[in-house]
Amino acid sequence: EVQLLESGGGLVQPGRSLRLSCAASEFKFSSYAMNWVRQAPGKGLEWVSGISDSGGRTYYADSVKGRFTISRDNSKNTLYLQMNSLRAEDTAFYHCANDYGLGTYMRYWGQGTQVTVSS
Amino acid sequence: DIQMTQSPSTLSASVGDRVTITCRASQSISSWLAWYQQKPGKAPKLLIYKASNLESGVPSRFSGSGSGTEFSLTISSLQPDDFATYYCQQYDSYPLTFGGGTKVEIK
Repeated sequence: EVQLLESGGGLVQPGRSLRLSCAASEFKFSSYAMNWVRQAPGKGLEWVSGISDSGGRTYYADSVKGRFTISRDNSKNTLYLQMNSLRAEDTAFYHCANDYGLGTYMRYWGQGTQVTVSS
Repeated sequence: DIQMTQSPSTLSASVGDRVTITCRASQSISSWLAWYQQKPGKAPKLLIYKASNLESGVPSRFSGSGSGTEFSLTISSLQPDDFATYYCQQYDSYPLTFGGGTKVEIK
């Protein structure tokens, strides 16, 4: 069974940094593009960032461009999201999800990791 | 950016009802649309891709239709397990965007 397990969330002060990880298992991680999607408390889904299977192409929502960096290590089957200059509005549950192609639909999702930005 | 607008935002229905949720795109997205179901505290689950293709393992009471800017998700006979929030998502172009969600509640 495909598993995506996020980690690295927590409580952080505004302006600080956090790095999220997503460990993948039971599918050929290196063959799939990946995404980060977040959900603020009581709100809907918001796509944050995507990365191609090789890592050579990356995409970002305007709300995080210049502050967040997506990356992957295919040798470790792991996806990352480096989040800098965090703001209160970045508070959300962050899910990783695989991408059927590149910039398509998301078949497999992790349960998410909570990020809270507060002083 | 392509804006996705879902309606209604909340829907009250009974077991056995036929339910339809609508999703409108701000510009044509051909058939590049997916539907997801999300229950509280859980990750979203893919139901439909390319507007009308049923994901493997999803009950046949779910169906999707539409193209261009108008899409719909229909549940032919609502079951207790179907009370959840549903989201559409366009994948015509980056940034990928979701609709605001439709919460299906028990009437």
